[in-house]
Amino acid sequence: SQTIHQWPATLVQPVGSPLSLECTVEGTSNPNLYWYRQAAGRGLQLLFYSVGIGQISSEVPQNLSASRPQDRQFILSSKKLLLSDSGFYLCAWGGTSAYEQYFGPGTRLTVT
Amino acid sequence: TQLLEQSPQFLSIQEGENLTVYCNSSSVFSSLQWYRQEPGEGPVLLVTVVTGGEVKKLKRLTFQFGDARKDSSLHITAAQPGDTGLYLCAAEDSNYQLIWGAGTKLIIKP
Repeated sequence: SQTIHQWPATLVQPVGSPLSLECTVEGTSNPNLYWYRQAAGRGLQLLFYSVGIGQISSEVPQNLSASRPQDRQFILSSKKLLLSDSGFYLCAWGGTSAYEQYFGPGTRLTVT
Repeated sequence: TQLLEQSPQFLSIQEGENLTVYCNSSSVFSSLQWYRQEPGEGPVLLVTVVTGGEVKKLKRLTFQFGDARKDSSLHITAAQPGDTGLYLCAAEDSNYQLIWGAGTKLIIKP
């Protein structure tokens, strides 16, 4: 069966510091991968998605970036965090169609 | 711009009561999904509906896709505290990406 991992679970970072969040998927090949951000108790905002290694599409211009160095690895990065980057970050994988996405446990990021 | 509007935004009821939450749009979708999310966790897919008028049941949860495939409802019978969570609907847009509603936060009091 497929599983998706995210780490760390919780992160507190000062403004201006770099960020690296990692997501890995097991049990499937060539998945579509997604990074979302969620405000407290609200819906999901798509940040990036990838249909293959090195292929990244950005949905929202901001100081975040994403990379996919391996088929089942998706990384979210920032060179300098802003206070507004605080939130709950979710990684998801899906098949060739966008629907029926499966989510990791999320990372709670607090920028202080 | 395709939007999904969920209502109500917040609902708090007693255990044993019935409830219905809604997901509406002016756009037609090829499919619509419902997810449940518990605090501090990722959303979990509950169901996908693809045919206009389709009804799917998952134990005490009944999901319906509107005949015109623009809206959907989720009905819970005899709600239990374990049903507490954020219920999100999502649908595939014309760019083959999921768009998301803002969610209904449901609290079932014992």
